[in-house]
Amino acid sequence: DAGVIQSPRHEVTEMGQEVTLRCKPISGHNSLFWYRQTMMRGLELLIYFNNNVPIDDSGMPEDRFSAKMPNASFSTLKIQPSEPRDSAVYFCASNPRASGDGYEQYFGPGTRLTVT
Amino acid sequence: SQKIEQNSEALNIQEGKTATLTCNYTNYSPAYLQWYRQDPGRGPVFLLLIRENEKEKRKERLKVTFDTTLKQSLFHITASQPADSATYLCALGRGNNNDMRFGAGTRLTVKP
Repeated sequence: DAGVIQSPRHEVTEMGQEVTLRCKPISGHNSLFWYRQTMMRGLELLIYFNNNVPIDDSGMPEDRFSAKMPNASFSTLKIQPSEPRDSAVYFCASNPRASGDGYEQYFGPGTRLTVT
Repeated sequence: SQKIEQNSEALNIQEGKTATLTCNYTNYSPAYLQWYRQDPGRGPVFLLLIRENEKEKRKERLKVTFDTTLKQSLFHITASQPADSATYLCALGRGNNNDMRFGAGTRLTVKP
């Protein structure tokens, strides 16, 4: 299995531009998570989906952030317009179950976003 | 507000010693707790899960304890090796709910 796939691995953009991050979860996994990691704030949960349905987006910082999961094998996180404070590493993770507690999460390699 | 604290930003120990990392939490009632390892430039990798009704879990050289009275988990690496050098994150979750909250992590360095 290829694991969770994220693209791009690195993104450098100018303030005000739209940024789209992509994620392909592990095949057969029913839950997908988007996290953001910075030195200051650590690893923060932004949003998660069960069976392609957004369950909790309370971690999404502002309306500039949006996430979609059109099917079980693809999700996007979009920032529009981007700002320098959005610079961080964004991780996507998946786990096998949509319910039940304690299933381990499988993380992708992350996308390092730099907004200048 | 909910708070998850890992004892220190960095921990340095000598090879062969036992590393002990701490995860404390407040204003939270987790049903389970997980520990992850993160290497530079990579995503976290799952190590161990312990549930609220379990006191201790072991896996090879790893041991984790969970004390819901003290609101604390301890993570031990025995016979540490330089290859154990990494950042270790604790994560707390509630039952029947997939979201987890992570601590800031402790960066462990094992010196040869």
